Amino acid sequence: GDSVTQMEGPVTLSEEAFLTINCTYTATGYPSLFWYVQYPGEGLQLLLKATKADDKGSNKGFEATYRKETTSFHLEKGSVQVSDSAVYFCALKGGSSYKLIFGSGTRLLVRP
Amino acid sequence: GAGVSQSPSNKVTEKGKDVELRCDPISGHTALYWYRQSLGQGLEFLIYFQGNSAPDKSGLPSDRFSAERTGGSVSTLTIQRTQQEDSAVYLCASSLFTYTDTQYFGPGTRLTVL
Repeated sequence: GDSVTQMEGPVTLSEEAFLTINCTYTATGYPSLFWYVQYPGEGLQLLLKATKADDKGSNKGFEATYRKETTSFHLEKGSVQVSDSAVYFCALKGGSSYKLIFGSGTRLLVRP
Repeated sequence: GAGVSQSPSNKVTEKGKDVELRCDPISGHTALYWYRQSLGQGLEFLIYFQGNSAPDKSGLPSDRFSAERTGGSVSTLTIQRTQQEDSAVYLCASSLFTYTDTQYFGPGTRLTVL
């Protein structure tokens, strides 16, 4: 079945450092890919998405490119802030499906 | 506009009691989803509604779990005879249409079964 694999955390960075959180997927067909973020004590918020190969999703300085050849959707940010500290979830949804399949989440801690 | 809301935000109950969790989707959204977030299982799909119908209940972990949706709007997830392994955060999401993109999530209900 469809699945998502994320790098394990926690990831600890200093402010202004470069961030990469790896995400790879297994799916039949052509899924849509998502990054959701969960700030402490809050629910899931959509960060960005991409619906077809080579699409780049971007929001709040975060970017991720849908790479079909490597089945990856890595999240990047050039300069992280303390306020980016949160848990990040990679997810996919199959083209004919309504279920979101989530990775296990990666906790990011940014220190001043 | 208003997002997805859930109530209560926290619920503590004793083993064996029944609980009801409520979800108010974004106005006009036809599809509604329930997910569960637990330490051991991560984020897992439970059930989805298209209108008031639930075509897929396959994610419900046992027959103690049930859900309904009325008026194409509010949904209630009911857990009967709660067990400690039911402790989790229950998340509700809604989307405009079932197969199209974005699901918007509520803040969740944290359930603790003592």
